[in-house]
Parts: sequence; structure tokens; C-alpha cells
Amino acid sequence: DTAVSQTPKYLVTQMGNDKSIKCEQNLGHDTMYWYKQDSKKFLKIMFSYNNKELIINETVPNRFSPKSPDKAHLNLHINSLELGDSAVYFCASSQGRGQDTQYFGPGTRLTVL
Amino acid sequence: AQKITQTQPGMFVQEKEAVTLDCTYDTSDQSYGLFWYKQPSSGEMIFLIYQGSYDEQNATEGRYSLNFQKARKSANLVISASQLGDSAMYFCAMDDYKLSFGAGTTVTVRA
Repeated sequence: DTAVSQTPKYLVTQMGNDKSIKCEQNLGHDTMYWYKQDSKKFLKIMFSYNNKELIINETVPNRFSPKSPDKAHLNLHINSLELGDSAVYFCASSQGRGQDTQYFGPGTRLTVL
Repeated sequence: AQKITQTQPGMFVQEKEAVTLDCTYDTSDQSYGLFWYKQPSSGEMIFLIYQGSYDEQNATEGRYSLNFQKARKSANLVISASQLGDSAMYFCAMDDYKLSFGAGTTVTVRA
């Protein structure tokens, strides 16, 4: 009965590879997000989707591409992985847009070797 | 410019005592939301408490309370009766049009 789930929890890969992280929420929320937490624990928003529409697209390399097949899912695909992409990636969801509480998934720790 | 400032990188508190975590924010919007999240060593982000900018009363959730001083643009978190399980990193965040996080404060509760 996990509210926001992510797979995989850990991802170790070589530079140059392409990988995806999947996120699903069963809260019935309309809005989903991707955040990156770096090695200093700083959290920054990357993308947000509302009802499958991209509403926030921060300054992120275009190697990162979000995809929302439906309201309950938001996946993150990363091409040509670089060492600097190593981080924890969190998915989150909220009922609506703006000031609604965001509930986070458990995070995916990505390590690029 | 930093929107959320948490000036205390780390704090120690004795079990059963109260602790206040400082947070100041910067926005020109009149409508915004303030949040606190807890991140234990296991890594998940746990929502603790919310305060809307138009809320006149300070928010409370169990042992957590948010000391909201709008004119000073501060939103301090008070944890009462600290427990060992409160040891974690705590993040202040503000949502004006997107959620922005502070750098976090690490709290260590001593027995």
C-alpha cells in the first residue's frame, strides 16, 4: 500500500549508458515531480507534470527526459550518463499545483562509474 | 539568490528537551506555503508540517509546531520532547510557484 513508489532503489551503471527510473503513486494525485538530491544533500526540483502535462522544466541537461504515460506514473529517462549525474533522485506527488503538500517516494540512488 | 536559509548546519539536543530549527525565506509573493520535511539516515523524505502564508495561527502537528513570523519571513520548527528517533536532517521548504528547499539542519538527539 505504498503511496509513492520508485524502482529501482539502487542503480549502478557505467558512464555513457542510458537508464530509466520509474515512479508510481496510488494517492490519486494530479501532479508529480522529479527532484535531485546531490552529495551535499541539496534538493532541487527538475520537472513537474500536472495531468500528464509538463508544467515545470528546470535548467536540466536535455539528456534527462521525463515521461508521464498517465496521471499515476512519471518516469525519468537519462541518456549518456555522466559522473556528475550520481545523486539520489526523488519522485513526489501532490493533489494539485502550488502549495499542496508533496509526498515523496523512497528515492533512487544512482551511481555512475 | 537563496530563497530558503537554514543557518544551523547541525544541532545537538538532549532527549526530552525541545529544539528550535531556524528557517528564513525570501519571496515577493503574497501567497505561498511553508513546509518542513524530515530525512532520517534511511533516506526517505517525510512530510512534517505545513503553514500557509494566510494562516493566522501557527501550525501544529503532534510534537511539531511551526513558529510563523510573516513580517520577519521566518518559519521556525519547534520539536518538543525530543526522542532518539528525531535524529535526522530537517529541511525547510517554500512553495511560491515551485517547492524550494533550504540546505537542511542535522539534529542529533542525545540520550
